[in-house]
Amino acid sequence: DAGVTQSPTHLIKTRGQQVTLRCSPKSGHDTVSWYQQALGQGPQFIFQYYEEEERQRGNFPDRFSGHQFPNYSSELNVNALLLGDSALYLCASSGTGGGRYGYTFGSGTRLTVV
Amino acid sequence: AQTVTQSQPEMSVQEAETVTLSCTYDTSESDYYLFWYKQPPSRQMILVIRQEAYKQQNATENRFSVNFQKAAKSFSLKISDSQLGDAAMYFCAYSNPGTYKYIFGTGTRLKVLA
Repeated sequence: DAGVTQSPTHLIKTRGQQVTLRCSPKSGHDTVSWYQQALGQGPQFIFQYYEEEERQRGNFPDRFSGHQFPNYSSELNVNALLLGDSALYLCASSGTGGGRYGYTFGSGTRLTVV
Repeated sequence: AQTVTQSQPEMSVQEAETVTLSCTYDTSESDYYLFWYKQPPSRQMILVIRQEAYKQQNATENRFSVNFQKAAKSFSLKISDSQLGDAAMYFCAYSNPGTYKYIFGTGTRLKVLA
């Protein structure tokens, strides 16, 4: 049973560019959340998608946007990249009950902005 | 706003010994959920244990147990019979039924000494 899969695992981008990160949730899960984890910090909530809609959003600028597809997979897009966007981006999925029982996380995408 | 504090950046424990990781949180809610996640070098966040605030009984999962003190807003993790594979970053997280996001602490790095 595949868990949460994220691609790519590593990515290097130049300041000002745009990036798209991808996530496939665990089988049977329909909700996807995205987190940003800066070096030495805990993950910070970006947003959550359910039924192809953004259900909740954290304190991130509009440069961060997302999408969820009918098969529940999701993308995170970041425009006009800043050096401060360098971080590990984690995707988490859940089924019915949402975060009450704990999210299943992927291994993340390490984004480096130069 | 809710906050989660982990005051121990790093802890060490001898193999087979017991260690306790501390976590405090601040909330005005009466119903909420607390979690401990483990993040090994593989970067994937793995759920270790969860606690529902309305349950008096402390959660246990094999060698892992919590000491949940609701009045003191404290949620510590005890690892018994520590193993080399327990070495990782440990994050405490908070969520409540009115939201879908997790609020994470800054983490505690656990080193297990052979």
